[in-house]
Amino acid sequence: GESVGLHLPTLSVQEGDNSIINCAYSNSASDYFIWYKQESGKGPQFIIDIRSNMDKRQGQRVTVLLNKTVKHLSLQIAATQPGDSAVYFCAENHTGGFKTIFGAGTRLFVKA
Amino acid sequence: DAGITQSPRHKVTETGTPVTLRCHQTENHRYMYWYRQDPGHGLRLIHYSYGVKDTDKGEVSDGYSVSRSKTEDFLLTLESATSSQTSVYFCAISEGAGSYEQYFGPGTRLTVT
Repeated sequence: GESVGLHLPTLSVQEGDNSIINCAYSNSASDYFIWYKQESGKGPQFIIDIRSNMDKRQGQRVTVLLNKTVKHLSLQIAATQPGDSAVYFCAENHTGGFKTIFGAGTRLFVKA
Repeated sequence: DAGITQSPRHKVTETGTPVTLRCHQTENHRYMYWYRQDPGHGLRLIHYSYGVKDTDKGEVSDGYSVSRSKTEDFLLTLESATSSQTSVYFCAISEGAGSYEQYFGPGTRLTVT
């Protein structure tokens, strides 16, 4: 069935290092992928998205990579800061679809 | 932040009672969604709306109903609350369906005793 999963439930990095959070998806029809950040006690916040006609997209300190061959998505955070500590979700959908599928999340800890 | 509010933010209720959660948006977005978030399950879609009076079921809709009488308001009702409906509920909005990001409200923590 359709699923979006994360390889690691937790990730701990040193402040200033780069972080990489990975995600696998199984629905070949998905053509839109999103990363969300959720801080404790808050709703998910959109970080960056990528469409299936792209392999890479960059934002401010974040980069999303999409490998359609192996159905893999990753979020790279450069120079990780304490404020980046949160749970990160990947999600997938397809053009015109109503049902975004979310992964279970990866908790990122940033050590000072 | 997107103009989305949820009320109440916290609620404790007893098994068997009806409960209504409200989502209000000021962005005039057409699409609205209700999710529940539980440990180990991520976010799961309960119901969604694609316009006034236009709603449909998500993956975990049993025991829930929704109504949307105005663009800005989307109500989620638990017809007879059960302990399995203890969860954090999030409302979200989007401009379009599919290839559009969703903006989330702050959530409602519901406890059914």
